[in-house]
Amino acid sequence: GAVVSQHPSRVICKSGTSVKIECRSLDFQATTMFWYRQFPKQSLMLMATSNEGSKATYEQGVEKDKFLINHASLTLSTLTVTSAHPEDSSFYICSARFPGQAYEQYFGPGTRLTVT
Amino acid sequence: ELKVEQNPLFLSMQEGKNYTIYCNYSTTSDRLYWYRQDPGKSLESLFVLLSNGAVKQEGRLMASLDTKARLSTLHITAAVHDLSATYFCAVDIWGSQGNLIFGKGTKLSVKP
Repeated sequence: GAVVSQHPSRVICKSGTSVKIECRSLDFQATTMFWYRQFPKQSLMLMATSNEGSKATYEQGVEKDKFLINHASLTLSTLTVTSAHPEDSSFYICSARFPGQAYEQYFGPGTRLTVT
Repeated sequence: ELKVEQNPLFLSMQEGKNYTIYCNYSTTSDRLYWYRQDPGKSLESLFVLLSNGAVKQEGRLMASLDTKARLSTLHITAAVHDLSATYFCAVDIWGSQGNLIFGKGTKLSVKP
C-alpha cells in the first residue's frame, strides 16, 4: 500500500525558534497533501491543503505566516512552524492523496512538537 | 458549516459484547471515512463509504452509511481487548478537494 513518512517523529524546541517538518510520499507521487494538527485528547483539525507547485490553501483561522507550507516536489511537502510558542505544541499529521484515487488519503505517522 | 458529531465520545465495554458508534453530519457529503487511532500513533484507515446504503465489514467491525439520514454507524461485534482505541469518523465536503472534517472521536475501552 501507499506509504507516507514524516520527519522528525518528535522534536523539542525553544520558544522563538523555527521548526521544519517533512512529509514524504515514499512509493507514489502525491499532487495534493494535507496538514492536520491534533491537540491532546482532541480530534484532528485540517490546517491547510498543499498542492505541488502552487501556494497552499489555508483553513480559516490558520496563520499562513506562522505555518509555512512548501510543496516543492511531487513527493515532499514541508511545514515550518515559525517563531514557535508553547501553544504550538501539538501532534502534526500529514496525509497524501494517491493519484487517481480522489477519495483515499494516506496518513503519515505524525510529528510530536513540544515547544519549551 | 459542516459539523460532524460522534456519539458516544467514551465507551467502556466488556469483551464479547456488541455496540454501535454513531456519526451524524450536517450537510451533503458523498464520502465518509472511519479511522482508528492508537495512543501516540497516527490514523489507520478502516473503511471508506462512498454511496448511500454502503456497508463494509472487516473482522469484528462493520460500517454503514445512510446519506439521506446523514448518518453512519460503526458496529462492533463480540468486542475484544485489541479493539481498544479511539475511532474517528470523517466526512469529505461535497465537491471539495479532499478536505476532511473529523468528528471528535470515540474512545473505546474493552475490558476483559
